[in-house]
Amino acid sequence: QKEVEQNSGPLSVPEGAIASLNCTYSDRGSQSFFWYRQYSGKSPELIMSIYSNGDKEDGRFTAQLNKASQYVSLLIRDSQPSDSATYLCAVNRVGDMRFGAGTRLTVKP
Amino acid sequence: DAGVTQSPTHLIKTRGQQVTLRCSPKSGHDTVSWYQQALGQGPQFIFQYYEEEERQRGNFPDRFSGHQFPNYSSELNVNALLLGDSALYLCASRPGRDREQYFGPGTRLTVT
Repeated sequence: QKEVEQNSGPLSVPEGAIASLNCTYSDRGSQSFFWYRQYSGKSPELIMSIYSNGDKEDGRFTAQLNKASQYVSLLIRDSQPSDSATYLCAVNRVGDMRFGAGTRLTVKP
Repeated sequence: DAGVTQSPTHLIKTRGQQVTLRCSPKSGHDTVSWYQQALGQGPQFIFQYYEEEERQRGNFPDRFSGHQFPNYSSELNVNALLLGDSALYLCASRPGRDREQYFGPGTRLTVT
């Protein structure tokens, strides 16, 4: 079982729709969780962090965490073509951060 | 405020050679981690440095080594390069070992 698992996609949504990205993790001791966005040929960019169960909203982005289910999600509302990128889920445990393989999102105009 | 910087941007090496990659963390950050990212994959954790010591290590052979200097900057050294070492090498820094982590632009290493 991989430490951090994501649907590889690709996920395609029309402009203005909600994009939903999911992630599961295996280590119950994980304490903090992050979403990064990576454009092709660029390095990952931090877009959300979440540390406790529930929802956290920042602009068009909402991160959701359920530690009992070992599940993290990212919702992107009013998706824009500029949101087209690979989204990486990252889980922090015992001081180091592990990443999923990423979900490729395409937002079609 | 400069973010995380890395050098060089691109590098081409021959199999069997050695390479050194450099990273300067974001101001105020004392923890540096290195990652290897192959095409189409997520970043793979190599190791983390804090207080000039390697604190955590991922599943990478001893050919991969590093160092952190008193000013928190860091180097990644790879010996006896293999074709499979071709990848984007990412440095990330954070203010403490459990906080948000920020990436540099990466070094694209090609081994021929």
